[in-house]
Amino acid sequence: DSGVTQTPKHLITATGQRVTLRCSPRSGDLSVYWYQQSLDQGLQFLIQYYNGEERAKGNILERFSAQQFPDLHSELNLSSLELGDSALYFCASSANIDTTGELFFGEGSRLTVL
Amino acid sequence: SQQGEEDPQALSIQEGENATMNCSYKTSINNLQWYRQNSGRGLVHLILIRSNEREKHSGRLRVTLDTSKKSSSLLITASRAADTASYFCATAGYGQNFVFGPGTRLSVLP
Repeated sequence: DSGVTQTPKHLITATGQRVTLRCSPRSGDLSVYWYQQSLDQGLQFLIQYYNGEERAKGNILERFSAQQFPDLHSELNLSSLELGDSALYFCASSANIDTTGELFFGEGSRLTVL
Repeated sequence: SQQGEEDPQALSIQEGENATMNCSYKTSINNLQWYRQNSGRGLVHLILIRSNEREKHSGRLRVTLDTSKKSSSLLITASRAADTASYFCATAGYGQNFVFGPGTRLSVLP
């Protein structure tokens, strides 16, 4: 058990819809990362937050947004969903602001867009 | 383009054999990490090696890093069926974020 909790575990929705994925980081970790894993694209970095502030942005679409709340949990919002958004979405947390430490991953949220 | 690229893409061995997978990268790094992912599950951190280190061990795992060749290898000794998983290297460049390779799928046959 990594200590990182993601909900929901599975989500099935239709094109055009909006969903929210939630992540609770490991106790004490201030950094939260979001990754998308699909079969053809591998593990893609989306965005990082540190102590409530956006720290780094990766290949995150404009239709996607995220935030980290004062209690350090984070949400990833995906809107105007397309078939190609179907993927596993992972949250990971770290004690460090930078890349000098390890990442602790949640079990992921599997999104299926029909 | 990908910072880290694992090789081979897939590897199938018998229980008890050693498994070696490699990772190559393109730019200078702060550290390199290896992660394991069981099918459909979250990634689990295995080992971190810093740019000034050449070799690290953790149980049955041995990781080497050659910064002159921009490559790393992960050796799993005396493989078990439970080692069946995908293995990813993640490179962390200075001032950059983690970049994961496409992974090596390891199958350990009983």
